[in-house]
Amino acid sequence: ETGVTQTPRHLVMGMTNKKSLKCEQHLGHNAMYWYKQSAKKPLELMFVYNFKEQTENNSVPSRFSPECPNSSHLFLHLHTLQPEDSALYLCASSLQRRSSYNEQFFGPGTRLTVL
Amino acid sequence: AQKVTQAQTEISVVEKEDVTLDCVYETRDTTYYLFWYKQPPSGELVFLIRRNSFDEQNEISGRYSWNFQKSTSSFNFTITASQVVDSAVYFCALSERNAGNMLTFGGGTRLMVKP
Repeated sequence: ETGVTQTPRHLVMGMTNKKSLKCEQHLGHNAMYWYKQSAKKPLELMFVYNFKEQTENNSVPSRFSPECPNSSHLFLHLHTLQPEDSALYLCASSLQRRSSYNEQFFGPGTRLTVL
Repeated sequence: AQKVTQAQTEISVVEKEDVTLDCVYETRDTTYYLFWYKQPPSGELVFLIRRNSFDEQNEISGRYSWNFQKSTSSFNFTITASQVVDSAVYFCALSERNAGNMLTFGGGTRLMVKP
């Protein structure tokens, strides 16, 4: 285990449902990330939070809404999704310092299927 | 802009063979960081190595070795005496110092090691 957990591991939802993905890190990191991994595209960065502040929104549709209540928890709220949003959603965390870049540690992902 | 290319989408080898996974990157920054991650069937990305742009020393860790060559913008990964457990998708990634926490991934190489 990397110290990053995600729940649920699998989720099936209809296009009119509202659901949330949860990520928790136990590593004392100060930055957290959401990535989307679909079958036909490389890993796509969705959101970045540094010290609980969102610093990156990579042109993600508004039907995806992130929330970072503290430096250990990250949520991705989902509503009115489309079938093309079906993918593996990965959460990651890292310890960011001004003088260096540190590797990101990933959770196991949530496999999302939108019907 | 940063870009990572992994030209080999899929490689199949027989156990005990050596295999090299290629990674070519593009960056305008003089300070950057390169990474390799392994994604087994379980889905979780496992961090393998980080290399800073100013450190061109090659590295060996057990059966794994990495060859960083700035002259050709490459950061290749070799597995010696491959094992079935090495079967996974391997991702090369790049982060420029001026890009904050942004991590750009290559498309990944699926390695299949057959017994």
